[in-house]
Amino acid sequence: QKEVEQDPGPLSVPEGAIVSLNCTYSNSAFQYFMWYRQYSRKGPELLMYTYSSGNKEDGRFTAQVDKSSKYISLFIRDSQPSDSATYLCAMKQNTGNQFYFGTGTSLTVIP
Amino acid sequence: GAGVSQSPRYKVAKRGQDVALRCDPISGHVSLFWYQQALGQGPEFLTYFQNEAQLDKSGLPSDRFFAERPEGSVSTLKIQRTQQEDSAVYLCASSLRSGVWDTQYFGPGTRLTVL
Repeated sequence: QKEVEQDPGPLSVPEGAIVSLNCTYSNSAFQYFMWYRQYSRKGPELLMYTYSSGNKEDGRFTAQVDKSSKYISLFIRDSQPSDSATYLCAMKQNTGNQFYFGTGTSLTVIP
Repeated sequence: GAGVSQSPRYKVAKRGQDVALRCDPISGHVSLFWYQQALGQGPEFLTYFQNEAQLDKSGLPSDRFFAERPEGSVSTLKIQRTQQEDSAVYLCASSLRSGVWDTQYFGPGTRLTVL
């Protein structure tokens, strides 16, 4: 079993829809929870990160962490065609240097 | 300012050849990471440098993989006697600080194809 599980999709939604992306994990030591966006043939870029549990909002993006369920989510409101990309969740413990990534979910927002 | 750059962007190698992949991190960044991203997968950690010191190489899949950062800036990932399973995108990332979580800035990757 992988430490981080993510549904690869693909996910296709109409412009303006609310998108929900999720990851589950097995390692209770994870404390940093991140969401990256990766466009085709580009490197991942950090969208948001959360330390420990709770919610964080940044514009149209909201990240949620539920450590009791080992479940994290990213919500995108008013989705735009420019949001079409692969979204990767990633996690890290307090100690060590390794970041553990999910497989990524491919999202297409249709105009 | 300039981001993380990697070269070459694409590399085709015959099985058994040695390859060298280069990463130029953002100037002044202390931490440097190498990842391997297979098709349809997320990045998998390979190794970590703090300045010139390789502090973690637990993700290197075999002793055919070797990384260095001799002057604490540019890094090279070398793969000896390449195999078909080495085909992947190799990503480099750098961050300003070490020892605590910090934003990683990724390069565009080198796509390695082993025939």
